[in-house]
Amino acid sequence: DAMVIQNPRYQVTQFGKPVTLSCSQTLNHNVMYWYQQKSSQAPKLLFHYYDKDFNNEADTPDNFQSRRPNTSFCFLDIRSPGLGDAAMYLCATSRDSQGWETQYFGPGTRLLVL
Amino acid sequence: AQSVTQPDIHITVSEGASLELRCNYSYGATPYLFWYVQSPGQGLQLLLKYFSGDTLVQGIKGFEAEFKRSQSSFNLRKPSVHWSDAAEYFCAVNNNAGNMLTFGGGTRLMVKP
Repeated sequence: DAMVIQNPRYQVTQFGKPVTLSCSQTLNHNVMYWYQQKSSQAPKLLFHYYDKDFNNEADTPDNFQSRRPNTSFCFLDIRSPGLGDAAMYLCATSRDSQGWETQYFGPGTRLLVL
Repeated sequence: AQSVTQPDIHITVSEGASLELRCNYSYGATPYLFWYVQSPGQGLQLLLKYFSGDTLVQGIKGFEAEFKRSQSSFNLRKPSVHWSDAAEYFCAVNNNAGNMLTFGGGTRLMVKP
């Protein structure tokens, strides 16, 4: 009964080679988020979608893009991965955008850049 | 701007001992506060949250947290720690503007047999 699913769990890419990470949800939630978590650090929000409305954090590099083709799926595209982009990427969802809403996290995709 | 501080980067407790993880926040209005747990290589799981009402909040796995407005704190407690509680714990605050969570730096809990 997985609710937020991320594929793949581990991804290895080469420096500069585009990569796409996938997230899907069975909760029918309106909001989907992408976080970057580097080793021994807190998750950092990259961007989120409220339905089809895209919201980018001010300090998210242009190298990171996202797509949400439907309610269930959201993708993170890294156009030219650098060594500094190696991290765990966490997808999360919430029913709505009020402050008390719980965010439900997927298991994450660990990205390694060679 | 909101911020969250978890003063303890690492904590080690013996199995069966009590636990308190500290969290202090900075936010102008009444905050929405969360505690999440992350096992190695896994995503985050919600333990509990506070958004109104009783300031002592009960969560899953026997955890509780108390919101103290006067101290700007939301400390997590457990009366008796189990070895399976070894994990990273994150406190987070929400600014109620688009459900943006700001996380503290995390506290890594180790449990001695």
